[in-house]
Amino acid sequence: GQNIDQPTEMTATEGAIVQINCTYQTSGFNGLFWYQQHAGEAPTFLSYNVLDGLEEKGRFSSFLSRSKGYSYLLLKELQMKDSASYLCAALDSNYQLIWGAGTKLIIKP
Amino acid sequence: GAVVSQHPSRVICKSGTSVKIECRSLDFQATTMFWYRQFPKQSLMLMATSNEGSKATYEQGVEKDKFLINHASLTLSTLTVTSAHPEDSSFYICSARGAGENQPQHFGDGTRLSIL
Repeated sequence: GQNIDQPTEMTATEGAIVQINCTYQTSGFNGLFWYQQHAGEAPTFLSYNVLDGLEEKGRFSSFLSRSKGYSYLLLKELQMKDSASYLCAALDSNYQLIWGAGTKLIIKP
Repeated sequence: GAVVSQHPSRVICKSGTSVKIECRSLDFQATTMFWYRQFPKQSLMLMATSNEGSKATYEQGVEKDKFLINHASLTLSTLTVTSAHPEDSSFYICSARGAGENQPQHFGDGTRLSIL
């Protein structure tokens, strides 16, 4: 079956760095997305990786290793507004998006 | 860019009412639109996928006669919850994707539906 695993919840301190991991098992692979979802709101697109390596976009970076079925989202210089759920989603061979359950990130002052 | 507008943002109505939710892509042509449902503290659950001009593809367990989807143009899709009951109360979110199956989905703001 197809599966996405990511931690349920993480806590970090304002100003620090946090890495949210995601492992995936899909029938084929056409890329991996990260979305941010604040409580009570819809998800917003953060990043897309299809090739191995690190993609940097401001304070957020996303990494992919296709051979390991692994990705992470790295958040630097954490701000209180970064408190949200972070959703990992993999695109399978049929271009169906397989969603993880999300990682709730709690930022403490 | 890639703005998706969803209306209404909140609906409270009596049991038995039918509710229509609109999803519009404002600055791009949405080849494919998706409808999700999300219960509190749970992950997104895909209900159906629709391509412009064709019938929607429903996920297993989603009643197509209860959740009517129309994708009449490249910028508009609608979801009608027919004869809604309290168990249909949820957060409904649409997303739209442009041409290219590896393009990101862009989400509307969601509709919080409460059936009394």
